[in-house]
Amino acid sequence: RKEVEQDPGPFNVPEGATVAFNCTYSNSASQSFFWYRQDCRKEPKLLMSVYSSGNEDGRFTAQLNRASQYISLLIRDSKLSDSATYLCVVHSGSARQLTFGSGTQLTVLP
Amino acid sequence: ETGVTQTPRHLVMGMTNKKSLKCEQHLGHNAMYWYKQSAKKPLELMFVYSLEERVENNSVPSRFSPECPNSSHLFLHLHTLQPEDSALYLCASSQAGSVANVLTFGAGSRLTVL
Repeated sequence: RKEVEQDPGPFNVPEGATVAFNCTYSNSASQSFFWYRQDCRKEPKLLMSVYSSGNEDGRFTAQLNRASQYISLLIRDSKLSDSATYLCVVHSGSARQLTFGSGTQLTVLP
Repeated sequence: ETGVTQTPRHLVMGMTNKKSLKCEQHLGHNAMYWYKQSAKKPLELMFVYSLEERVENNSVPSRFSPECPNSSHLFLHLHTLQPEDSALYLCASSQAGSVANVLTFGAGSRLTVL
């Protein structure tokens, strides 16, 4: 089983749609969780951290389910500019123990 | 300059060449990383320098050699590479030991080995 697993997609959705991504992780001792966004031929950038109680940032909502070992990202009212690859990242302790998923590709269509 | 700066942005080299990638961070972070990103694969951690201690991924071939002269600078020395080493090489920095070990990435060096 991969340490961090994501559905690669691609997800093709119309503007204004709501889309959700899930990510599962295998290390139950994982401590911190993040979603990064990577635009085509650019570097990954932090989108948001994921807190145990769930957190929201505008149209984006992240949730953590420790019992089932998954995190999710919900995007409401999708914009064309949301088209990117979304990377799930799990931190399990030391500096080297940051594990990236393969990413989920999202394309928002006009 | 701010953030994490990588040079060169693009590099084409033959298998017998020796080249180096350079990374500089202006964030006051205490950890720096080299990642390799190949098409359709997860980011692969190659090396970490945390508090100036080196931690490496044992699966990285010896033709990749990192150097971290201080907490702000990181190099990746390349020699006798193979075509399968063609990829995007990303440098990142973070404040290791903080509650949220958030990475800030450079724009990457896209390497093509002929």
